[in-house]
Amino acid sequence: EPEVTQTPSHQVTQMGQEVILRCVPISNHLYFYWYRQILGQKVEFLVSFYNNEISEKSEIFDDQFSVERPDGSNFTLKIRSTKLEDSAMYFCASRTTGTVTEAFFGQGTRLTVV
Amino acid sequence: RKEVEQDPGPFNVPEGATVAFNCTYSNSASQSFFWYRQDCRKEPKLLMSVYSSGNEDGRFTAQLNRASQYISLLIRDSKLSDSATYLCVVNTYNAGNMLTFGGGTRLMVKP
Repeated sequence: EPEVTQTPSHQVTQMGQEVILRCVPISNHLYFYWYRQILGQKVEFLVSFYNNEISEKSEIFDDQFSVERPDGSNFTLKIRSTKLEDSAMYFCASRTTGTVTEAFFGQGTRLTVV
Repeated sequence: RKEVEQDPGPFNVPEGATVAFNCTYSNSASQSFFWYRQDCRKEPKLLMSVYSSGNEDGRFTAQLNRASQYISLLIRDSKLSDSATYLCVVNTYNAGNMLTFGGGTRLMVKP
């Protein structure tokens, strides 16, 4: 069964460092997302990406964040200068076009900023 | 008002019980609705989509009331393995097909 894969599963970084979280969405999907979940809190939307551009982003997704789809398979989230409060689980998701289709989530990257 | 609101619980029920969760959403432009399940420290996984006419999948029944902007999930004959957090998820097409999550309702099924 096709699945969304994320790497690494756990990343520890020092405050102020840049991190890149990687995702390989399901191959025939067209909408891509990044979500985050701080421990014990709700799943929060960061950004959606369609047709090689950002289609929507939240207030959390400020200038420190960027996304890229550098080739036909990878979808990356970059955090330029990490803060302690960026520590969270980051989930990538993808779905086919259309509003009624489910989104499939990767297993997540746990980011710990120290 | 929160965009998607759920009672956080926890709901503590014995095996075999029937339990119901509700969810309300604020954006009347929302077009599609889902229930996801999330186990501790794992990714959300689709439990079922919610259709306007209501739908059932085994022990699970989902209902949608567009006029009142709420969604429900009914679980019959609860199993220990149903213990998880249930996430109400709303899709809004004119917001980049964004999926908005409720805070989740935690269910604990006890022997």
